[in-house]
Amino acid sequence: QLLLQESGPGLVKPSETLSLTCIVSGGSISSGDYYWGWIRQSPGKGLEWIASIYSSGGTYYNPSFKSRVAISADTSDNQFSLNLRFVSAADTAVYYCARHVGWGRFDSWGQATLVTVSS
Amino acid sequence: ESVLAQSPGTLSLSPGERATLSCRASQSIDDRFFSWYQQKPGQAPRLLIYAASSRATGIPERFSGSGSGTDFTLTISRLEPEDFAVYYCQQYGGSPMYTFGQGTKLEI
Repeated sequence: QLLLQESGPGLVKPSETLSLTCIVSGGSISSGDYYWGWIRQSPGKGLEWIASIYSSGGTYYNPSFKSRVAISADTSDNQFSLNLRFVSAADTAVYYCARHVGWGRFDSWGQATLVTVSS
Repeated sequence: ESVLAQSPGTLSLSPGERATLSCRASQSIDDRFFSWYQQKPGQAPRLLIYAASSRATGIPERFSGSGSGTDFTLTISRLEPEDFAVYYCQQYGGSPMYTFGQGTKLEI
């Protein structure tokens, strides 16, 4: 059974960098036609796709975040990470990591981590 | 960028009734890249339907998806108490770019 588990700081100060990690168990992030992505959910903007990384390492970003976001993978630890720079209150949200099958469905999701941006 | 508009915003029905949820795209979508999700409070979205009409693993037959182009429908044939939740449509629009609808709340 594939399991994804997010971890992160919970509270980040404005203008700082948000760093999140998703630990994957029950499957390898470096095999198959799978992408590993980050999605966030906030009352104001609903569900937003942020970025994805392919099993072979290619990275893909939502243009709305592209200038301040980076996604990376650590295949030895079977995890992938998101860095979001220059955060503001608008980045306060629940953040999910998820797997998507090709450029199609998100078929496995983590349980989410709440991130609050506040001084 | 294609925008997804879901209707209605809230749907009030009773167990045993039929639910019909709509999702309309501002541009034509490749059916292969259209999905529906169910989300309950405090939980992650759960994949229900992919490629517009294929049920995900473990999803009951009362859930069905249909549509093509710009108009898609999720139908729940006979509502069970556990079906009351928020439903989202989602599409891949190229570039790459994923977008989600704003959700339909199905309430008792």
